[in-house]
Amino acid sequence: GAGVSQSPRYKVAKRGQDVALRCDPISGHVSLFWYQQALGQGPEFLTYFQNEAQLDKSGLPSDRFFAERPEGSVSTLKIQRTQQEDSAVYLCASSLGWNTEAFFGQGTRLTVV
Amino acid sequence: AQKVTQAQTEISVVEKEDVTLDCVYETRDTTYYLFWYKQPPSGELVFLIRRNSFDEQNEISGRYSWNFQKSTSSFNFTITASQVVDSAVYFCALRDNYGQNFVFGPGTRLSVLP
Repeated sequence: GAGVSQSPRYKVAKRGQDVALRCDPISGHVSLFWYQQALGQGPEFLTYFQNEAQLDKSGLPSDRFFAERPEGSVSTLKIQRTQQEDSAVYLCASSLGWNTEAFFGQGTRLTVV
Repeated sequence: AQKVTQAQTEISVVEKEDVTLDCVYETRDTTYYLFWYKQPPSGELVFLIRRNSFDEQNEISGRYSWNFQKSTSSFNFTITASQVVDSAVYFCALRDNYGQNFVFGPGTRLSVLP
């Protein structure tokens, strides 16, 4: 596609529910990133893929967070047993290589009630 | 450790004024890339400019210009003749070979008043 596509745009989950957020990167982009952005703050790194390999998951806040990119294209961020503090905008980005800029999707706004 | 600091939390200017957004970074790498992104109220992060650590030449692109100084670890961004549509949050970001992910600053909220 022309840009990074994320779905759903908005998600309301009851506390304790599992959620799955999808990211379709720009075709051919090797690198894929997930970020979490709380209101009024900058994006915070969650995890990074190069093709299907998850090279860095140091930003995942707990073992309730899990990300995958099985075929090196579409990625899914899963959050199990959601908590209120998980409420944030989740941003996905892709880049062609390590020395190029990243392009971001519109994000998924997750609200845990 | 990698770190990006944007000391200006909020800036307000009147339309047509020039405005400079400050960015200071920390990295242990000698090869790294610096970026500026814009986040308008719609929420999507929009890429503006990229600079690599080997090129300190300052450039102008339309109404945008940037000043990269390795000696002070600064990468400042200037908008000339600001417009209301420039109102957004601006983020400075760093990517180096150590972390490979993008490290963002806290952002500067720019309000351009008519």
